[in-house]
Amino acid sequence: DVKVTQSSRYLVKRTGEKVFLECVQDMDHENMFWYRQDPGLGLRLIYFSYDVKMKEKGDIPEGYSVSREKKERFSLILESASTNQTSMYLCASSLHRGNTGELFFGEGSRLTVL
Amino acid sequence: AQSVAQPEDQVNVAEGNPLTVKCTYSVSGNPYLFWYVQYPNRGLQFLLKYITGDNLVKGSYGFEAEFNKSQTSFHLKKPSALVSDSALYFCAVENSGAGSYQLTFGKGTKLSVIP
Repeated sequence: DVKVTQSSRYLVKRTGEKVFLECVQDMDHENMFWYRQDPGLGLRLIYFSYDVKMKEKGDIPEGYSVSREKKERFSLILESASTNQTSMYLCASSLHRGNTGELFFGEGSRLTVL
Repeated sequence: AQSVAQPEDQVNVAEGNPLTVKCTYSVSGNPYLFWYVQYPNRGLQFLLKYITGDNLVKGSYGFEAEFNKSQTSFHLKKPSALVSDSALYFCAVENSGAGSYQLTFGKGTKLSVIP
């Protein structure tokens, strides 16, 4: 089975701190994604990557950056956390570059910024 | 731009009754359509997808969905609901011609199956 592992299930950070959210997938998938999930808003795409060292902005990239140095690992970085970044963050991967691929999600990282 | 609407924030159904979770979509080209389920404090799990072919798609856990092009809908259905089906359900759409491999998700529908 595909496994997508997010390093932290729960984090509490202070405003202005730098935050790293790590995601690792073990099935050699090409595509990796970061979403945030907020009640009443559904899932919104922050960034995605279809290859090592490649990244593309999603719908809400402001305040975030990403890093993909290895195929299996995709990191989300909050350079200076703010309270409006309190959310559930979901990492996902899919096998093929292109359409039709189903996403495999991690368990999520719930971030609270005080 | 592509979009998905899930018109019901919450659906309540008695155990053993049929259930329907509604989804309509908007996309400029031909759609790829997906349903995902999220159990409490968990990530999303893939349920089923429509790419092409038969309009009735069968998926995991006894769920099925019907693609209706004229109504731009992709409603999720199950003949007999279980308490364990209680979860948050997300519909998603992708534009097959865009080459962007990005899914747009709806806001989710909370399904509660009452014993």
